[in-house]
Amino acid sequence: QKEVEQNSGPLSVPEGAIASLNCTYSDRGSQSFFWYRQYSGKSPELIMFIYSNGDKEDGRFTAQLNKASQYVSLLIRDSQPSDSATYLCAVNTGGFKTIFGAGTRLFVKA
Amino acid sequence: DTGVSQNPRHKITKRGQNVTFRCDPISEHNRLYWYRQTLGQGPEFLTYFQNEAQLEKSRLLSDRFSAERPKGSFSTLEIQRTEQGDSAMYLCASTTSNTEAFFGQGTRLTVV
Repeated sequence: QKEVEQNSGPLSVPEGAIASLNCTYSDRGSQSFFWYRQYSGKSPELIMFIYSNGDKEDGRFTAQLNKASQYVSLLIRDSQPSDSATYLCAVNTGGFKTIFGAGTRLFVKA
Repeated sequence: DTGVSQNPRHKITKRGQNVTFRCDPISEHNRLYWYRQTLGQGPEFLTYFQNEAQLEKSRLLSDRFSAERPKGSFSTLEIQRTEQGDSAMYLCASTTSNTEAFFGQGTRLTVV
């Protein structure tokens, strides 16, 4: 079992729709959770981080965390073609090492 | 300081040659990471420095790989006797905590 699992996609949504990206993790001791966006050929950039169960909103982005289910998600509202990228889920277990999932490719169709 | 800087951006080398990459982190960041990313995969952790101390090294790193951060500022990653399987993007990231890590633009290595 991989430590951080994501559906590789591609996930295709029309412009203006809500994109829902999901991630599960194996270490119950995980404490910090991150979503990074990575455009093709570029390095990852942080979109959001979340530590506590529940929802965290930042603009068009909402991160959701459920530690009991070992599940974290990212919702993108009013999706734009510029949101088309690979979204990486990353998990920190409380030490210094952050483990990344393989990423989900998102395509937003104009 | 505009962020994490990595050099070179691209490197093509022949199999068996040695290569060295450099990472200059954000100046006040005491934590520095090296990751490797291949096509279709997320970044894989290679090694971690806190200041000048290398505190963890992944089992992915064979004896051909070595990293240093001699003065707790810039870091180098050296690969000896490169193999085609070493072809990847090598990413450096820095941070001050367990929160946001800032990535450099990466060094893309191609071993021919």
